[in-house]
Amino acid sequence: GAVVSQHPSRVICKSGTSVKIECRSLDFQATTMFWYRQFPKQSLMLMATSNEGSKATYEQGVEKDKFLINHASLTLSTLTVTSAHPEDSSFYICSATGLKETQYFGPGTRLLVL
Amino acid sequence: DAKTTQPPSMDCAEGRAANLPCNHSTISGNEYVYWYRQIHSQGPQYIIHGLKNNETNEMASLIITEDRKSSTLILPHATLRDTAVYYCIVKTAGNEKLTFGTGTRLTIIP
Repeated sequence: GAVVSQHPSRVICKSGTSVKIECRSLDFQATTMFWYRQFPKQSLMLMATSNEGSKATYEQGVEKDKFLINHASLTLSTLTVTSAHPEDSSFYICSATGLKETQYFGPGTRLLVL
Repeated sequence: DAKTTQPPSMDCAEGRAANLPCNHSTISGNEYVYWYRQIHSQGPQYIIHGLKNNETNEMASLIITEDRKSSTLILPHATLRDTAVYYCIVKTAGNEKLTFGTGTRLTIIP
């Protein structure tokens, strides 16, 4: 149990375009979902926290207009990187919590912006 | 949430027990100790968590000292697939956020 999926697993896009990443909890209802970013040889950095049906809470320094988060249901959250630039290239990871507060992570999405 | 300190790297021979230490000397009474690991290019994997009692599951054992200022994650029979970065995280009950430090890079040697 406690499986989280992400799609796509990797994406390459041109500078200036937008990219949407999906995060799904497959076998449980996620009360809260989280989005992290990880640059090479660095640790995970929390970007934002989202609860179903409400606006996401962004961490300091994360631009909410650039990283759009939609948490439309208890099993799906999406992260849209708008007007992506090469510096947005990173490993994006989502996680989800159910009733027991333990976070379960997705496999990650590797974004490369050319 | 309390800060944790872990050694940056460790080696362990395949088949032996891997013991990963973590210091959390400022931990509060309502803070849990969580362990995750991240295999290269994958999302973190939940291993185990505990409050003050020792815990065991199919993956590992968690030993928490009586004063709760440190803990040890034990992988009883390490395999090559256990090579990963292991993160020890202290989390307050009711606060869903996890703060990842730099972890311990565990390398299992054949």
